[in-house]
Amino acid sequence: KAGVTQTPRYLIKTRGQQVTLSCSPISGHRSVSWYQQTPGQGLQFLFEYFSETQRNKGNFPGRFSGRQFSNSRSEMNVSTLELGDSALYLCASRRQETQYFGPGTRLLVL
Amino acid sequence: GNSVTQMEGPVTLSEEAFLTINCTYTATGYPSLFWYVQYPGEGLQLLLKATKADDKGSNKGFEATYRKETTSFHLEKGSVQVSDSAVYFCALRSSGNTPLVFGKGTRLSVIA
Repeated sequence: KAGVTQTPRYLIKTRGQQVTLSCSPISGHRSVSWYQQTPGQGLQFLFEYFSETQRNKGNFPGRFSGRQFSNSRSEMNVSTLELGDSALYLCASRRQETQYFGPGTRLLVL
Repeated sequence: GNSVTQMEGPVTLSEEAFLTINCTYTATGYPSLFWYVQYPGEGLQLLLKATKADDKGSNKGFEATYRKETTSFHLEKGSVQVSDSAVYFCALRSSGNTPLVFGKGTRLSVIA
């Protein structure tokens, strides 16, 4: 069974731009979560989607948004990028107790 | 709120040494506990888990026991290898569909 896939793997953007990241969960998994990983803050939860509905939301500004499609694929969007948004963005799909993570998208904001 | 505290790294060990990475947690109720590992350039992989008190999770020679009385879930391995070099994250889920809460991570370097 294929694992969680994320595209693109690397991105370079400039301040003020927006970006969209994509995540395809493991087949059959309906829950997709997004995390931001930075050296200073560690792993921080952004949001979770289940059956196209946002089920949980972390403490991030409204510039961070997401959605989930009927095939469970999910996208995350960050508008008006700031330097501090540079991070590894991890997506995870979940079955029962266990979350399975993708390799991440590394975003660099210049 | 819920939180996880891990020992600060980095931890550097010689091959075949004994490993302990401490993890304590604060949570209401009876959380599920996890250890994840992140190898360089990769995402997180589940290493082991325990869902109730006194459960022992184990995988690839790593073990951790859910200790409710000390709110701990320390990771141990009897003999580390160079290939175990990675960052290890302790995490909890307090109930049902709540998100995972992670510790800051502990970087382990094993030298031959």
